[in-house]
Amino acid sequence: SQTIHQWPATLVQPVGSPLSLECTVEGTSNPNLYWYRQAAGRGLQLLFYSVGIGQISSEVPQNLSASRPQDRQFILSSKKLLLSDSGFYLCAWSGTVSGNTIYFGEGSWLTVV
Amino acid sequence: DAKTTQPTSMDCAEGRAANLPCNHSTISGNEYVYWYRQIHSQGPQYIIHGLKNNETNEMASLIITEDRKSSTLILPHATLRDTAVYYCIVGQGGKLIFGQGTELSVKP
Repeated sequence: SQTIHQWPATLVQPVGSPLSLECTVEGTSNPNLYWYRQAAGRGLQLLFYSVGIGQISSEVPQNLSASRPQDRQFILSSKKLLLSDSGFYLCAWSGTVSGNTIYFGEGSWLTVV
Repeated sequence: DAKTTQPTSMDCAEGRAANLPCNHSTISGNEYVYWYRQIHSQGPQYIIHGLKNNETNEMASLIITEDRKSSTLILPHATLRDTAVYYCIVGQGGKLIFGQGTELSVKP
């Protein structure tokens, strides 16, 4: 079976500090990978998606970047966090084995102070 | 922008069926209807999806109208643990655009 994990689960970071959220998928190969963000009380916003190693598409202009150094690893980063980067970040995957249905990780709560 | 319209909130009595409507009048022929739910502070959970035919699994049933412009998610016997935000999304898998969803409150 396929599993997805992301970490850390929660973090509090000062404004201007860097960020690194990691996500890994197990049990499948060549998945599509996604980063979503959910601000407090709002819907999910797609930030990035990737169809393969080194292939990243950005959906919205922002202070964040994403990288996919390995087939099943997806990283969300920032060099300098802003207050507006606070939110709930979700990694997700899909693929032929899932019938292209998207499955989400547990999420990471980021508070920028 | 999301391509679906859902009521902002609904209530349901515990043990009764919960029927959550969704309008997707601009759905294209190769787009599926997906339903997810999100319990506070957790990642969205996949429930069910369908293209044309009605679908049923261990969690819910999905009824899609013949013209595919609307659908209904049915939780046959709602429990308190079904209290969540329910998202109806149309797409072809891959990138899905989430709207605001319906906040379902199941009450004793």
